[in-house]
Amino acid sequence: GNSVTQMEGPVTLSEEAFLTINCTYTATGYPSLFWYVQYPGEGLQLLLKATKADDKGSNKGFEATYRKETTSFHLEKGSVQVSDSAVYFCALRSLTGANSKLTFGKGITLSVRP
Amino acid sequence: DVKVTQSSRYLVKRTGEKVFLECVQDMDHENMFWYRQDPGLGLRLIYFSYDVKMKEKGDIPEGYSVSREKKERFSLILESASTNQTSMYLCASSFGGTGYTFGSGTRLTVV
Repeated sequence: GNSVTQMEGPVTLSEEAFLTINCTYTATGYPSLFWYVQYPGEGLQLLLKATKADDKGSNKGFEATYRKETTSFHLEKGSVQVSDSAVYFCALRSLTGANSKLTFGKGITLSVRP
Repeated sequence: DVKVTQSSRYLVKRTGEKVFLECVQDMDHENMFWYRQDPGLGLRLIYFSYDVKMKEKGDIPEGYSVSREKKERFSLILESASTNQTSMYLCASSFGGTGYTFGSGTRLTVV
């Protein structure tokens, strides 16, 4: 079945540091890949997505590249801000099968210090 | 923008009570989902629905049921609440193969 594995957290960084959050997946077919972000006290919001191999999703300074050869979709940002403190979820949706369910990773908490 | 509205942000209920969590979306989405979110466990799918009056079990349906009488509304029901159902509950909707839109969540405490 489908699964998403995220690196263990939490992660604490100083402002302007470089961020990498690892995500690898197992899926049948050719899945679409997503990063969601959850700010404190809120629901999840779509941060970025990629629908095929070598696609790069980007938004708000965050980027992730769909790597089929390594089954990975790592999230990166060159210079984090305090306002990026949130929980980040990697997810996939397999294009095979009769439905469009998302499979989520366990999430990782990012805290950014001023 | 699609809006998914969950009726309560915080709820406190007693053990054994019947609890209704309501979710409404305003963009005619076919698909609706209920997840619970717990520390260290991420999001776990409880039930989902692809159409009115249709429902399918997710990964952890035990102790829950759902109702979808109208396309825009998807209700999660705890028939007899227990303390191990204390959690954050998230509703989401989607159209076809698009990404999900989530509500703000309901934090339920069962005492």
